[in-house]
Amino acid sequence: GAVVSQHPSWVICKSGTSVKIECRSLDFQATTMFWYRQFPKQSLMLMATSNEGSKATYEQGVEKDKFLINHASLTLSTLTVTSAHPEDSSFYICSAGPTGESGYTFGSGTRLTVV
Amino acid sequence: DQQVKQNSPSLSVQEGRISILNCDYTNSMFDYFLWYKKYPAEGPTFLISISSIKDKNEDGRFTVFLNKSAKHLSLHIVPSQPGDSAVYFCAARGNAGNMLTFGGGTRLMVKP
Repeated sequence: GAVVSQHPSWVICKSGTSVKIECRSLDFQATTMFWYRQFPKQSLMLMATSNEGSKATYEQGVEKDKFLINHASLTLSTLTVTSAHPEDSSFYICSAGPTGESGYTFGSGTRLTVV
Repeated sequence: DQQVKQNSPSLSVQEGRISILNCDYTNSMFDYFLWYKKYPAEGPTFLISISSIKDKNEDGRFTVFLNKSAKHLSLHIVPSQPGDSAVYFCAARGNAGNMLTFGGGTRLMVKP
């Protein structure tokens, strides 16, 4: 089945630094990747939609200059959290597709803690 | 405004019994619905889906029912097993694109 690798699985960074999260489709080409964020005990909230070779589409309330998304190839999308602050601490998950019955496969997520 | 709602934050069921997880939606443009299972610190895993042209889809122990007139879907797990303990999210997709709108999740606990 379709596999999506997300790296790193967890990261701790200092306030003010930037963190890059990678999302790779291992055995299929992903024309679209989605980035979600999940706060504790809350649902997954879509942050942005990334189509290969074009600029990402951000959801309302998501700062595009803070959350930089690059989808330069059909197998890789990156999310960079710039000038991270403690309130950016969250669980970030990507999904890639289209593929399979579900349409999209999720990565394993990245736990970001900003101290 | 939440377009997809799971009104029960948690559900506890005895092993071997049926688990019924419910989901309501408000957007009539949704045409495809999915259920995901999620463990802590992991990404969601796809379980089962249903198109809006159907009212039932079954896959092993999992059955999803869709009532379009009530804008309601449910996931039935029978028999429930302790390994089913996780958070279950329902999600809906519109015909205008591939983005998913998620419900708030229901934590299922299956007791041995």
